[in-house]
Amino acid sequence: GAVVSQHPSRVICKSGTSVKIECRSLDFQATTMFWYRQFPKKSLMLMATSNEGSKATYEQGVEKDKFLINHASLTLSTLTVTSAHPEDSSFYICSANRLARGFNEQFFGPGTRLTVL
Amino acid sequence: DAKTTQPTSMDCAEGRAANLPCNHSTISGNEYVYWYRQIHSQGPQYIIHGLKNNETNEMASLIITEDRKSSTLILPHATLRDTAVYYCIVRARDNFNKFYFGSGTKLNVKP
Repeated sequence: GAVVSQHPSRVICKSGTSVKIECRSLDFQATTMFWYRQFPKKSLMLMATSNEGSKATYEQGVEKDKFLINHASLTLSTLTVTSAHPEDSSFYICSANRLARGFNEQFFGPGTRLTVL
Repeated sequence: DAKTTQPTSMDCAEGRAANLPCNHSTISGNEYVYWYRQIHSQGPQYIIHGLKNNETNEMASLIITEDRKSSTLILPHATLRDTAVYYCIVRARDNFNKFYFGSGTKLNVKP
């Protein structure tokens, strides 16, 4: 089946630094990818829609200057958490759409655990 | 997208059927019902989806009531590996494929 990968799987950084997370669709092209954030024991919260070749669209309340998204190719989207602070510590998950089984199925990556010290 | 309501948690004995309910009383005619699950510290995994007919695949069955205001996901023979949080999501097919997750049901499969 389709696979979406994320790199790194875990990252620990100091407060004030920026962290880049990659999301790749390994065996299919994805014009649209999505980024989610998940706090412990909470559900996934949609942050933004990453569009290949155009600007990302952000959900209400998500700071676009804080969470920079770049969808440079049909298989890669990156999320950069700028000037990270401890409250940005979370589980970040991406997903990508692929036409499968006759409908647009959304495949999720394994997630990236970010810890900001 | 329509709001969904699911029980916070459920227990199921290994080998038995797990029936997970979901209420979506405000669902509209063009919205599908999707089920995903998330095993601890992993990304969500697609299970099944449907519009108004009951659906079955190798993982589960989806029963949607005639008025479409609720549905039930059935895992016919639950195993310990089915312990996860199960999310019921309703989404319009043309909603740019966005998914908004509710709180889900934590299914605990016990030996």
